[in-house]
Amino acid sequence: GQNIDQPTEMTATEGAIVQINCTYQTSGFNGLFWYQQHAGEAPTFLSYNVLDGLEEKGRFSSFLSRSKGYSYLLLKELQMKDSASYLCAVMKAGGYQKVTFGTGTKLQVIP
Amino acid sequence: EPEVTQTPSHQVTQMGQEVILRCVPISNHLYFYWYRQILGQKVEFLVSFYNNEISEKSEIFDDQFSVERPDGSNFTLKIRSTKLEDSAMYFCASTEGGAGTLSYEQYFGPGTRLTVT
Repeated sequence: GQNIDQPTEMTATEGAIVQINCTYQTSGFNGLFWYQQHAGEAPTFLSYNVLDGLEEKGRFSSFLSRSKGYSYLLLKELQMKDSASYLCAVMKAGGYQKVTFGTGTKLQVIP
Repeated sequence: EPEVTQTPSHQVTQMGQEVILRCVPISNHLYFYWYRQILGQKVEFLVSFYNNEISEKSEIFDDQFSVERPDGSNFTLKIRSTKLEDSAMYFCASTEGGAGTLSYEQYFGPGTRLTVT
């Protein structure tokens, strides 16, 4: 099976940097997603990491360590609109398309 | 920008009735998915679909659920005999490529809120 852990809630200040961690245990791993989900809306794709290392996309970066079962999402220059839930999700290995989501981290950005 | 669309946005049905939720994936995408999210809970995978057949399904996706791609554009989820616990937001998603690709952007539709009374 797959088990994904991420903090339930975080608070950060506008303009600051925040790191949201995700750890996972899985019987087979293909890649890891990060999504943003505003309340009442659909998840929005942020990143998909397959290889170890850091991938940067504008203000958002995502890091993966497959050997440690660990990922983080880094948000820089926080804006009020970044207040949302951030979902970590793992893609199962084996050519299949099953994605298992964590419970999400609710980020509140304060002035 | 291309997007996944879903209809209806909200569906209310009585317990035991059948519902069909509809999705139009992005036109050049080949892999399709259904997820559900019960209010206040995490997103749960239901099923993935490729090349006109199911490629993976979860334990939730039992005999009351079925999926179909009836034509070149629509992708549907049918729930045969709805139960109260089926009340949730149902999201359709699509990707251009499969899990083996390095670039794997998965686009979600806006969702259908299903309320079973």
